[in-house]
Amino acid sequence: GQQLNQSPQSMFIQEGEDVSMNCTSSSIFNTWLWYKQDPGEGPVLLIALYKAGELTSNGRLTAQFGITRKDSFLNISASIPSDVGIYFCAGQGTGNQFYFGTGTSLTVIP
Amino acid sequence: GAVVSQHPSRVICKSGTSVKIECRSLDFQATTMFWYRQFPKKSLMLMATSNEGSKATYEQGVEKDKFLINHASLTLSTLTVTSAHPEDSSFYICSAPRGAGGRFTFGSGTRLTVV
Repeated sequence: GQQLNQSPQSMFIQEGEDVSMNCTSSSIFNTWLWYKQDPGEGPVLLIALYKAGELTSNGRLTAQFGITRKDSFLNISASIPSDVGIYFCAGQGTGNQFYFGTGTSLTVIP
Repeated sequence: GAVVSQHPSRVICKSGTSVKIECRSLDFQATTMFWYRQFPKKSLMLMATSNEGSKATYEQGVEKDKFLINHASLTLSTLTVTSAHPEDSSFYICSAPRGAGGRFTFGSGTRLTVV
């Protein structure tokens, strides 16, 4: 199946720092989603983006749908220890299925 | 809110046996169910899309005879890993679209270990 390029693959940051990650695709998507996954659990939706250029916030999280519709980024401000986990982007292709990014593993050092 | 119940959460089976994984939508009708596979520390890979009452659509490279998918009702989709081998060991997750606007509900996942 199709995969999106997500970077960075991993991040080690100090508590309180801001975090930025992004996803790029060779295909145009109509929807971008950002998920967080804790070990052994299913992904949990953080932010959904439905329109090119859209900028949406959810608490300390902000995500944007790129103008080209081929990319998206997620920012986390003032990180805290519970932000630890793996973050995935997902783009919606034809039909309803989503294709996932390769994941960014975030470690927050207290 | 909408919940997808996935069972079992963990299963260990012997090589050569078959394992069935169930995903059940508890308070909504799931006419479509997506099945994903995840290797350790890797992303979710879409395996197949099941549609109630019709044959599943498999992604390229996924063996349909090995990963049997059945979506016999509006609330239940099953994935059966047939003649499992150690390389089938993985985390399997289902998800179902709910409502409009691209919202999905994920199952909690099944950790399959084939020994």
